[in-house]
Amino acid sequence: AQKITQTQPGMFVQEKEAVTLDCTYDTSDPSYGLFWYKQPSSGEMIFLIYQGSYDQQNATEGRYSLNFQKARKSANLVISASQLGDSAMYFCAMREANNFNKFYFGSGTKLNVKP
Amino acid sequence: ETGVTQSPTHLIKTRGQQVTLRCSSQSGHNTVSWYQQALGQGPQFIFQYYREEENGRGNFPPRFSGLQFPNYSSELNVNALELDDSALYLCASSLRLAGGPGDIQYFGAGTRLSVL
Repeated sequence: AQKITQTQPGMFVQEKEAVTLDCTYDTSDPSYGLFWYKQPSSGEMIFLIYQGSYDQQNATEGRYSLNFQKARKSANLVISASQLGDSAMYFCAMREANNFNKFYFGSGTKLNVKP
Repeated sequence: ETGVTQSPTHLIKTRGQQVTLRCSSQSGHNTVSWYQQALGQGPQFIFQYYREEENGRGNFPPRFSGLQFPNYSSELNVNALELDDSALYLCASSLRLAGGPGDIQYFGAGTRLSVL
């Protein structure tokens, strides 16, 4: 089974609007971490936000927030007030405590921000 | 900028050749992981090095090997290159504290390898 599933290959959003990128995960480990990365066309993976499985509150970092629904095993990324520079690939990733040297990535979502 | 640098940025090899890719970790980081990212896909974990020892491996054959040096920089070596090895190779460094799931990995810009 896929550890991380991103079902939106591509998304469009109007500049200044909010957008949600979906991510579901699969693990039986009670302790795990969820990450979102941005990959511009240059190739570098840029860390955006982290959510621990035991964190009580949803993580936020500036315009990024993570909508963590543990029972549904989802960790959606919300980008508020989209900017043209947000156009990129976005990857959801997970690491399990019992296998902490491995990072599992989803297949990514290509976000296009329209002016 | 993450402080993780990779070289070279691009490389062209022919099938059967060997290649070495290099990665310089972010200052203070003791762990390096390597990933292969085929076009249009998410990165796939190759292996991780912690304090100069291999510390976990993904589903990659033994012709993928690595090293980590005392200054925590790292190399990825691929022998007997195949056409399917064409990909972006990403290096990520992190500081392992408790070894839990929350250690954040910081990535370099990658080396794009083309095998002809």
